Amino acid sequence: DAKTTQPNSMESNEEEPVHLPCNHSTISGTDYIHWYRQLPSQGPEYVIHGLTSNVNNRMASLAIAEDRKSSTLILHRATLRDAAVYYCILRPQVYNFNKFYFGSGTKLNVKP
Amino acid sequence: GAVVSQHPSRVICKSGTSVKIECRSLDFQATTMFWYRQFPKQSLMLMATSNEGSKATYEQGVEKDKFLINHASLTLSTLTVTSAHPEDSSFYICSATPPTADYEQYFGPGTRLTVT
Repeated sequence: DAKTTQPNSMESNEEEPVHLPCNHSTISGTDYIHWYRQLPSQGPEYVIHGLTSNVNNRMASLAIAEDRKSSTLILHRATLRDAAVYYCILRPQVYNFNKFYFGSGTKLNVKP
Repeated sequence: GAVVSQHPSRVICKSGTSVKIECRSLDFQATTMFWYRQFPKQSLMLMATSNEGSKATYEQGVEKDKFLINHASLTLSTLTVTSAHPEDSSFYICSATPPTADYEQYFGPGTRLTVT
């Protein structure tokens, strides 16, 4: 399965934008890029996903590089509630496409 | 929105006993559910795929006789940790895909298992 690489941790100030990078140089042409986040002692929750084009939703934006070998999750205005571990996951568009293999993720700290 | 629940949220058991963890999809049917395990300060590790009406498929290195999975209905999957040992202490999380949003996985809140 294609692997993702993320920084172990990042820090942001409250109400400032945050850019969380993810490298996935071995991505295949049919892999979707998913982002989930996990708050302490909770199950992960869906943030956003995309294939080739940049995506926006109420939670975040996803910027995907033209060669798809990297992507960036953008939180436009970080709040204290955004402090979590953010996982970038590749989801194959084939059989068992909902099996997720989590990488190590990025722990985001948000300072007031 | 679609919700996945787990029961119990926390359980403490003695070494050598078995413990069952339930995963329910509350407002949708799920033919497939997934079980993950997460040790402290580590990422989630996929253990197995639970298939309604058929045998579960386990990831490499996961002992199927130790982690029994039963997916008896379209809304319930159970994970039984048999002959539990302290090293089985972990956070167990299940997930399911709602039919209306097949790009998204809904995760349960997790079950904290402590084996003494």
